[in-house]
Amino acid sequence: EVVMTQSPATLSVSPGERVTLSCRASQSVSSNLAWYQQKPGQAPRLLLYGASTRATGIPARFSGSGSGTEFALTITNLQSEDFAVYYCQQYNNWWTFGQGTKVEIK
Amino acid sequence: QLQLQESGPGLVKPSETLSLTCTVSGASISTTYTYWGWIRQSPGKDLEWIGSIYYTGNTYYNPSLESRVTIQVDTSKIQFSLRLTSVTAADTAVYYCARAGHYQPFDYWGQGTLVTVSS
Repeated sequence: EVVMTQSPATLSVSPGERVTLSCRASQSVSSNLAWYQQKPGQAPRLLLYGASTRATGIPARFSGSGSGTEFALTITNLQSEDFAVYYCQQYNNWWTFGQGTKVEIK
Repeated sequence: QLQLQESGPGLVKPSETLSLTCTVSGASISTTYTYWGWIRQSPGKDLEWIGSIYYTGNTYYNPSLESRVTIQVDTSKIQFSLRLTSVTAADTAVYYCARAGHYQPFDYWGQGTLVTVSS
């Protein structure tokens, strides 16, 4: 099983700031890496796939980078609706998720 | 627009079988190169892939759950189901059904259904 590890567990930020979330895979997943956003009571929403390609309707302030085992999600000019939990997921070897990073209001 | 909707009992007794159905609208379950899957999220928030059924009918399960899981497609081809046997409190979670393409993430999700295992 490919283990996904996210850091940090929680980020406290102010609106308008830029944040970077990290995700590490226990073995190479190539670029088969996705990021999801989840708000309370909702299903995860696909943000990025292929490590850096935005899903339909996702604003340009969300960007992704990385390949192999190290990945990052960057959110610039954080908006109020961006405060949520973010998960990375590899789909190179079935599907496994990271444990999530909560982005909260400072 | 593709939509998925989970349904089934919200309460299951320990040692019994959890059964859920996912109804698909806006696309065919037979769509080529498509996986239909089940994912759960425990109260502690971890997301866990349970298993998937491919458009060919082949099934693939998380090794940690494989001995207890069955995923099937209904003959109507608009529903697929999850059966999880011998449940314990550790199986209490929100269960989601979702769709993925071949070597793709899950892009469409149901709203999720909470299943509590308790006597």
